[in-house]
Amino acid sequence: AQSVTQLDSQVPVFEEAPVELRCNYSSSVSVYLFWYVQYPNQGLQLLLKYLSGSTLVKGINGFEAEFNKSQTSFHLRKPSVHISDTAEYFCAVSMTGGGNKLTFGTGTQLKVEL
Amino acid sequence: DTGVSQNPRHKITKRGQNVTFRCDPISEHNRLYWYRQTLGQGPEFLTYFQNEAQLEKSRLLSDRFSAERPKGSFSTLEIQRTEQGDSAMYLCASSFAVDTQYFGPGTRLTVL
Repeated sequence: AQSVTQLDSQVPVFEEAPVELRCNYSSSVSVYLFWYVQYPNQGLQLLLKYLSGSTLVKGINGFEAEFNKSQTSFHLRKPSVHISDTAEYFCAVSMTGGGNKLTFGTGTQLKVEL
Repeated sequence: DTGVSQNPRHKITKRGQNVTFRCDPISEHNRLYWYRQTLGQGPEFLTYFQNEAQLEKSRLLSDRFSAERPKGSFSTLEIQRTEQGDSAMYLCASSFAVDTQYFGPGTRLTVL
C-alpha cells in the first residue's frame, strides 16, 4: 500500500515570494507522482506529474517539482506566487503497474497575501 | 473536449433516503473513477471501471453503495439508506488507460 504525507496543512506567503509545499510518500513499489490543485467548490486540476525520466518536472502556472527517490519526496515549488495561486494543493501517488487509482495526501492550503 | 461533468452539483437529503449521482466522462476515456472527499481531507478512492467492468472496489464502499457503468460511457453512484457520515464531496475522474485522470467538479452531498 502507498501513503502520502503533506506535513504542512497551511502555508501563508506574501505575493511575489517563493513557496515550497512539501510532500513525502511511502511505497514498496515504484510509483507515479502527481500534484493537483483545488479551487473552492471545484474539482481537482492537474498541475504536474512525474512518470519517469528527468527528476525535475515543470507544470502549469509556473509550478515545478523535483522527485527525490532517496528521500521519497516530491516537493512543489514556485519562485514567485500570485494572489490567484491561493488554493488547496494535493500530492498524490499511484502504483506504476496497478489500476492507477490515486492515493492522496491531506492537502496543503496555500494562502497568498498582499 | 467538454471535460468531466457531474450531476447534480449539490444534493441535500434526509437520513435514510436513497440518492443517485451521475458522472459523464470525457468521451474517449475508457477508465472512470469515483472518489470521496470529506472536509479537510484529500480524496479517497472508492471504485473504478474499465469500460463497463468494475475492476476494483475500496473497503470504503459499503454494501449501501453501488456503482454502475452499463455501456462503458456514463456512470452512476447510488447510496442507499443514507447516513450522516455519507456527507461528503463525491468526485468522478476519467482517463484513457493509465494516463492522467481528469476530475469533474464533484457532487456535494449533505445528509440531514
